[in-house]
Amino acid sequence: QVQLQESGPGLVKPSQTLSLTCTVSGGSISSSDYYWSWIRQPPGKGLEWIAYIFYSGSTYYNASLKSRATISLDTSKNQFSLKLNSVTAADTAVYYCVREVIVVPAVHNWFDPWGQGTLVTVSS
Amino acid sequence: QSVLTQPPSVSGAPGQRVTISCTGNSFNIGAGYDVHWYQQGPGTAPKLLIYANTNRPSGVPDRFSGSKSGTSASLAIAGLQAEDEADYYCQSYDSSLSGVLFGGGTKLTVL
Repeated sequence: QVQLQESGPGLVKPSQTLSLTCTVSGGSISSSDYYWSWIRQPPGKGLEWIAYIFYSGSTYYNASLKSRATISLDTSKNQFSLKLNSVTAADTAVYYCVREVIVVPAVHNWFDPWGQGTLVTVSS
Repeated sequence: QSVLTQPPSVSGAPGQRVTISCTGNSFNIGAGYDVHWYQQGPGTAPKLLIYANTNRPSGVPDRFSGSKSGTSASLAIAGLQAEDEADYYCQSYDSSLSGVLFGGGTKLTVL
């Protein structure tokens, strides 16, 4: 059973870079059946998809975050990561790493399972 | 405000049936893209509840059902139980945004 676990600093200063890593266990990140995604949820608010990466290294970003976000993967460690630069208080959120199930066509994809999430607070 | 509109809250007594709507437009649900539903209990991560409009993952009780018609989708919960109290989110694809989007979420209260 695949499990995902986020890790990274819980506090980031404004204008700095948020860096998170997701460790995948119970399955290989090198599968062609899945994308690996980041989704965030500001406190008390809804969900926002950030980006995904495929085992080949191809990526896709939410247009609203594309200029600040970078997603990458390390197949040797079965991990993928997110960097978000120039953060502000608006980036304060619980960040989830999630497996995205690929369906043909991919516009019908869904997310399962989700990591437990990690709260990142942007504050000086 | 999300492109996928959900009621902020719904409620029902134990044993009752409730429905949660997810209303989109011709660029998402109305374009034929699948709708998926997630349940998020207090302080927990979202969990897949319904995928591809009507399908339940293994382990999800058959009290939960999904449907889709035109530019809207619905999640129905029959025989409400206290443990169903949670936030529920719909998800689909939007061709105008060229990406995934979620509904704003609905808080279900079991009276």
